[in-house]
Amino acid sequence: SYVLTQPPSVSVAPGQTATITCGGNNIANKSVHWYQQKPGQAPVLVIYDDNDRPSGIPERFSGSNSGNTATLTTIRVEAGDEADYYCQVWESSSDQPVFGGGTKLTVL
Amino acid sequence: EVQLLESGGGLVQPGGSLRLSCAASGFTFSSYEMNWVRQAPGKGLEWVSYITGSPTSVRYADSVKGRFTISRDNAKNSLYLQMNSLRAEDTGVYFCVRTSITLSWLPFDLWGQGTLVTVSS
Repeated sequence: SYVLTQPPSVSVAPGQTATITCGGNNIANKSVHWYQQKPGQAPVLVIYDDNDRPSGIPERFSGSNSGNTATLTTIRVEAGDEADYYCQVWESSSDQPVFGGGTKLTVL
Repeated sequence: EVQLLESGGGLVQPGGSLRLSCAASGFTFSSYEMNWVRQAPGKGLEWVSYITGSPTSVRYADSVKGRFTISRDNAKNSLYLQMNSLRAEDTGVYFCVRTSITLSWLPFDLWGQGTLVTVSS
């Protein structure tokens, strides 16, 4: 099965840029979605199809996808961005979605 | 308001059964593929199952295949998950999740608040 690898944690100071990676074999050939989950809440879609933002998601969030790594970038990080972030792709061989293990973003 | 509301979670003994429900509102339920995604305590997200809108097709994660059954009643705008032969590792929050029909590559665009299932003796 297809495996997505994320760093367990990322820390960043307020106002700085946070980068969260999602590694997978030739992930550039897939469409990557990103979800934000704050403590005690349901996940929320923040990026879809590598770099598109749903309505209501700030422009501070962006994504990219190349080679074996997809990346979620958050500029001008705020305290309210502190959350767990998950990448997700659709695995065509098994016809089912796959999630990365999640990354906890800490705002120092 | 567009929302999903799960119910039916609780404490059940290993080997027992539980039926989760999800009530949808604010959108044309029958037009959407629906999913169950779970999250063990302190762990990440795990997709469990999906069902097409018709519903003509279902699919399950290997971890629940043969034990869980997904179904829906479009007349009642409801999604269900029948869970049998429950194990301790099935413990977690179960989310009802909608697959987008408007966003490219069909991400999960609406999540319920989740219902907690605890499998323990």
